[in-house]
Amino acid sequence: DVKVTQSSRYLVKRTGEKVFLECVQDMDHENMFWYRQDPGLGLRLIYFSYDVKMKEKGDIPEGYSVSREKKERFSLILESASTNQTSMYLCASSLGTPGNTIYFGEGSWLTVV
Amino acid sequence: AQKITQTQPGMFVQEKEAVTLDCTYDTSDQSYGLFWYKQPSSGEMIFLIYQGSYDEQNATEGRYSLNFQKARKSANLVISASQLGDSAMYFCAMREFSYGGATNKLIFGTGTLLAVQP
Repeated sequence: DVKVTQSSRYLVKRTGEKVFLECVQDMDHENMFWYRQDPGLGLRLIYFSYDVKMKEKGDIPEGYSVSREKKERFSLILESASTNQTSMYLCASSLGTPGNTIYFGEGSWLTVV
Repeated sequence: AQKITQTQPGMFVQEKEAVTLDCTYDTSDQSYGLFWYKQPSSGEMIFLIYQGSYDEQNATEGRYSLNFQKARKSANLVISASQLGDSAMYFCAMREFSYGGATNKLIFGTGTLLAVQP
């Protein structure tokens, strides 16, 4: 079974803090993604990566950066957390070939106070 | 631009009855895939079913089937014999199949919250 693991399930951070959300997948997937989910807006893509050290901006990259130093790990970084970044964050991965299913982690609930 | 539309914010269904969740999409690509995911209150996104744009048969997975009407650009999810455990948020999503790495992302609709009543 594909396993996508997000390191933190629930986080509470202060405004201005640097926040790291970690994601690891165990199926040698080329593609990895970070989504943000807000009520009424569905899931919106923040960043994705199709290879080690490669990244592409999604639809809402402002205020976020990412790092992919190893194939299995994709990190989302909030350089200076703000209250409008309070949200549910979902990591996902898939094989690089189009048509393959994208598998998700359990999500990280981030509250910025 | 690619877009997914789910017009039903919420739905009720009686246990053991069938329910259809609507999804329409917009794309200029000829090659794409359509997905349905289930998200229970715990938050994880569970893959349910997939339909490729060139698949001639409607996809089925157990109690889930996808009513794919390509000309209408619709991909409705049908859940037969609803169970209490089907209560969850359901998302329709689309992935275009352009090669080159940059466009293999999944675009989601806003979801439909399904409540199964005993």
